[in-house]
Amino acid sequence: EPEVTQTPSHQVTQMGQEVILRCVPISNHLYFYWYRQILGQKVEFLVSFYNNEISEKSEIFDDQFSVERPDGSNFTLKIRSTKLEDSAMYFCASKLDRVWNQPQHFGDGTRLSIL
Amino acid sequence: DQQVKQNSPSLSVQEGRISILNCDYTNSMFDYFLWYKKYPAEGPTFLISISSIKDKNEDGRFTVFLNKSAKHLSLHIVPSQPGDSAVYFCALNAGNMLTFGGGTRLMVKP
Repeated sequence: EPEVTQTPSHQVTQMGQEVILRCVPISNHLYFYWYRQILGQKVEFLVSFYNNEISEKSEIFDDQFSVERPDGSNFTLKIRSTKLEDSAMYFCASKLDRVWNQPQHFGDGTRLSIL
Repeated sequence: DQQVKQNSPSLSVQEGRISILNCDYTNSMFDYFLWYKKYPAEGPTFLISISSIKDKNEDGRFTVFLNKSAKHLSLHIVPSQPGDSAVYFCALNAGNMLTFGGGTRLMVKP
């Protein structure tokens, strides 16, 4: 069964450094997402991406965050200057297309630890 | 964010019995309702969903019920199996983004 893959599984970074989290969505999917889950808290929406542009973003997704689809397969989340509070599990998800009643499929996440 | 609540953080059920997981919401804009299952060190896995135009959807041992007037969603698993032990999240869609509940840890005892 096709799946969303995320790399690395664990990233440790010094505060203030830039970090890039990578995702390969399911190959024929067109709608991509990033979510995060801080330890002990709910999974939170960050951003959705369709047709090479941001479709929606939450208030968490400030100027420190950016997303990109640099080629036909990868979807990346960049945090420019990491803060301690960015430590969380980051999940990538993809969906077949814009139709509203289709499920999003998630990767296994990247655990980001900011020191 | 209290838009979506799963009031039971954990549930313990005997193998073969029914598991009922509940989810309450406040926002009437939600139009598509999903349940995900999550094992440790893995991402959420899609389980079953229901659109706002329906009140029941069944897939094998899993049935999702939607009561729009009560703003209540439930997942029934029958019969429960030890392999069903995991954390279950309800996730509600509005505008193509999901809002998650806090999760319920289900433990199915052999």
